[in-house]
Amino acid sequence: AQTVTQSQPEMSVQEAETVTLSCTYDTSESDYYLFWYKQPPSRQMILVIRQEAYKQQNATENRFSVNFQKAAKSFSLKISDSQLGDAAMYFCASLGGGAQKLVFGQGTRLTINP
Amino acid sequence: KAGVTQTPRYLIKTRGQQVTLSCSPISGHRSVSWYQQTPGQGLQFLFEYFSETQRNKGNFPGRFSGRQFSNSRSEMNVSTLELGDSALYLCASSLQVVGETQYFGPGTRLLVL
Repeated sequence: AQTVTQSQPEMSVQEAETVTLSCTYDTSESDYYLFWYKQPPSRQMILVIRQEAYKQQNATENRFSVNFQKAAKSFSLKISDSQLGDAAMYFCASLGGGAQKLVFGQGTRLTINP
Repeated sequence: KAGVTQTPRYLIKTRGQQVTLSCSPISGHRSVSWYQQTPGQGLQFLFEYFSETQRNKGNFPGRFSGRQFSNSRSEMNVSTLELGDSALYLCASSLQVVGETQYFGPGTRLLVL
C-alpha cells in the first residue's frame, strides 16, 4: 500500500518570497509517479507538477520546482516569487502499482501575505 | 480542448435517497476516476473506469457504484444515502496508460440532510 504524508498543515509566506512544502511517501512499487496539485477556494483541483520516479532530474514548471529524494522518499515543492494567486491547499499525491489510483496527503494550506 | 465537466455542481438530498452524478472527460481520455473529499477523511479513491470496465475500486461500501459509457462519460451512483456521504465528489480523466496525469473536474458538492 502507498502512503503520503504532509507534515505541515499550514504555511505562510510573504509575496515575492520563496516557500517549500514538504511531502514524504512510502511505496513498495518500483514504478511510480508523484504529483503536486493545488486546490484554490473554488475547489477545482489543478495540477502543479509531475515527477516520474525513474527520472533523476527534478521536475520544474516555471516558478514551481520539486526536490525529489528517492532514497529518502521525499518530494518537496518549492514555489519561487510567491504570488497572491498561489494561495490554496496543496496536495502531494502518488500513483503506482499498475493502477490509476492517486493516494493523497492531507494537504498544506498556503497563505500568501501581501 | 474542453476540460472535465461534472453535473450537477450542487445537490441536496435526504437520508435514504439515492443520487447519480455525471462526469464527462476531456476529449480523447478513456480513463475516468472518482474521488470523495471530506474534511475528516481527506481525498479518497472510489473507483476507476476504463473502456466501460471498472479497472480499480477503493474501500467503499457497495452503496457506491459507477459505470462508464462507450463515449467515456461516467456516472457514479450512491444508494441509501447516509449523512456521512456529504462530500465533494471529484472526477478525473486521463489517457489510457496507467501513470498518466489525471485532470480533475470542478466537483459535485453533495449535502445529505
